[in-house]
Order: sequence, then C-alpha cells, then structure tokens
Amino acid sequence: GNSVTQMEGPVTLSEEAFLTINCTYTATGYPSLFWYVQYPGEGLQLLLKATKADDKGSNKGFEATYRKETTSFHLEKGSVQVSDSAVYFCALTLTGTASKLTFGTGTRLQVTL
Amino acid sequence: EAGVAQSPRYKIIEKRQSVAFWCNPISGHATLYWYQQILGQGPKLLIQFQNNGVVDDSQLPKDRFSAERLKGVDSTLKIQPAKLEDSAVYLCASSLGHGTSYEQYFGPGTRLTVT
Repeated sequence: GNSVTQMEGPVTLSEEAFLTINCTYTATGYPSLFWYVQYPGEGLQLLLKATKADDKGSNKGFEATYRKETTSFHLEKGSVQVSDSAVYFCALTLTGTASKLTFGTGTRLQVTL
Repeated sequence: EAGVAQSPRYKIIEKRQSVAFWCNPISGHATLYWYQQILGQGPKLLIQFQNNGVVDDSQLPKDRFSAERLKGVDSTLKIQPAKLEDSAVYLCASSLGHGTSYEQYFGPGTRLTVT
C-alpha cells in the first residue's frame, strides 16, 4: 500500500537555525508529493508540492526536492523564525486515485528566540 | 474569498450518543472531502464527494458513520452511535476538482471528544 513516514518530533530549534524534516514514502505508482503546515488553531495549509522526480517545490523560504531514487521529500529551510512554529505534514497522492491524500503522522516544530 | 467553514468547532458527547458535523466548502468547489485526524496521527480520508456523488468511501465505517452532500454544496457527517475511538478532529476540505493539480483547502476542523 501507500504510506508516508516522517521523522518524529517535536523538533526544537533556535531562531535562524537550519531546519530539516525528513520524509520518505512508499507508493505503488508515481506519486505527487506535498508538505502541509498546520499553525496553532488553524486548518491545514498547502506549503509546497512536487509532481515528478527531481522537481523542487518551494514557498516562504521552505523547499523540498522529489528524490525518486531515495523515495524521499525532505523539507528544509535555511533560517527558521518563531512564526514557523507549527506541525508539518508530508503527504502523497497518486494519479488516478481521485486526489486522495495519504499523510504522514506530522512533525511538530518549535522555534525559540 | 471565504475559506472552508465547519461547525461546531468543539463537541463533547458520551459514547453511544449521536453527533453531526457540518461543512460549507469554498464557493464553486466541486470536490469535498472529510478526513479524520486522531491525536498523534496524520489525517485519514473518510469520504470524498464530487458534486453530490460519492467518489471514495472505502475507509468510512459505514455501520456508524454516514455523510451526505445534498445539492452538491454543504455536507454533513454523522456518527451514530459514537465510540470512544471516534475521538478525533474531523477535517473538511474542498477543491475545484479532483486530481493532483487541484489544491485541497482545509477548514479549521471539529474536535470531537467521546467520553
């Protein structure tokens, strides 16, 4: 079946530190990959996506590269801010599955001053 | 543009009671999704509608859960009777269409606690 595995949190970083949140996937076909973010008290928001191998998604200083050879889609940011504190979800969907999203368990990021 | 609206935001019920959640998608969005997010887990799709037809309900526990989307706009999700393991956040999402090119927009969710 299809699944997404994320590194466990919480991840605690100081402001301006470098962020990596690992995500690997298992899929029966060729997935599109997503990162969603959930800020406290808010709904999930799409952060970035990549639809084919070697694509790089980027938004708000975050980026992730679709690596087919390692089945990974790690999220990175060069300098985190306190406002980046949230829960981050990696997800995939397969073409032909009517856009059903399969999510990882989420990684909580806490950024401190 | 208004986002996806859900109500209530919080609900506490006793086991074996029934409960209903309401979702109003973004205007013009043909596809509507209900997800269940248990604490510490990622959201899991329960049911997907395209207009007022069901596209995928393979993970909906049909013995106790039901959902409808009359007139292809608003949707309600019902649980009857509720079990302790139904405690979760129920997320509604909508998109213009179905397929990987259509972004799903999520509502704030309804947090259900079953005691």
